Amino acid sequence: DIQMTQSPSSLSASVGDRVTISCRASQSITSYLNWYQQKPGKAPELLIYAASTLQSGVPSRFNGSGSGTDFTLTISSLHREDFATYYCQQSYNTPGMFGQGTKVDLK
Amino acid sequence: QITLKESGPALVKPTQTLTLTCTFSGFSLRRSGVGVGWIRQPPGKALEWLALIYWDDDKWYSPSVKSRVTITKDTSKNQVVLTMTNMDVVDTGTYYCAHTTAPWLHLDVWGQGTTVTVSS
Repeated sequence: DIQMTQSPSSLSASVGDRVTISCRASQSITSYLNWYQQKPGKAPELLIYAASTLQSGVPSRFNGSGSGTDFTLTISSLHREDFATYYCQQSYNTPGMFGQGTKVDLK
Repeated sequence: QITLKESGPALVKPTQTLTLTCTFSGFSLRRSGVGVGWIRQPPGKALEWLALIYWDDDKWYSPSVKSRVTITKDTSKNQVVLTMTNMDVVDTGTYYCAHTTAPWLHLDVWGQGTTVTVSS
């Protein structure tokens, strides 16, 4: 299985901050990397797929980058509704492993 | 508009078999490149990919549950069924189904999830 490692596991930030979350794959997954946002008690929602393609309806303050084994999700200016847990997931092969999640909370 | 909804028992006993149904609308599992996956999440923990079925009936399972899980589809009913045998307390959690499409196989639309508790 391809293992996905996210860092940090949690971070505290303020509205307006720039936030960066990293995701590393245990082997190359080219650009088969997806990012999801999950709020408490809700299903995850797709933010970005193919490493950098913004899902329809997702605000442009979300940006994904990277290829191979190292990927980054950046929120350019944190909004109140962005406080949530973020997961990366590889879809290069099965099983489509998820990272352990990064919880973004209010400083 | 694509929607998916999971259904099944909220409580199962250890060693029992769990059967969950994902009923969907807005897409066809006969269409090339389309798939439906199952993902679960133990309380307070991360997401875990379980299984995936494609339009052509190709099926993939996580090695961690492969011996216990079966995924099937009924295209006439727009349903995908996940069966998990020999349930244990560690299988407690929220189970989601989600739509996916080739080539990127991202999970672009999710159901609301159904919570399953394994307890005697």
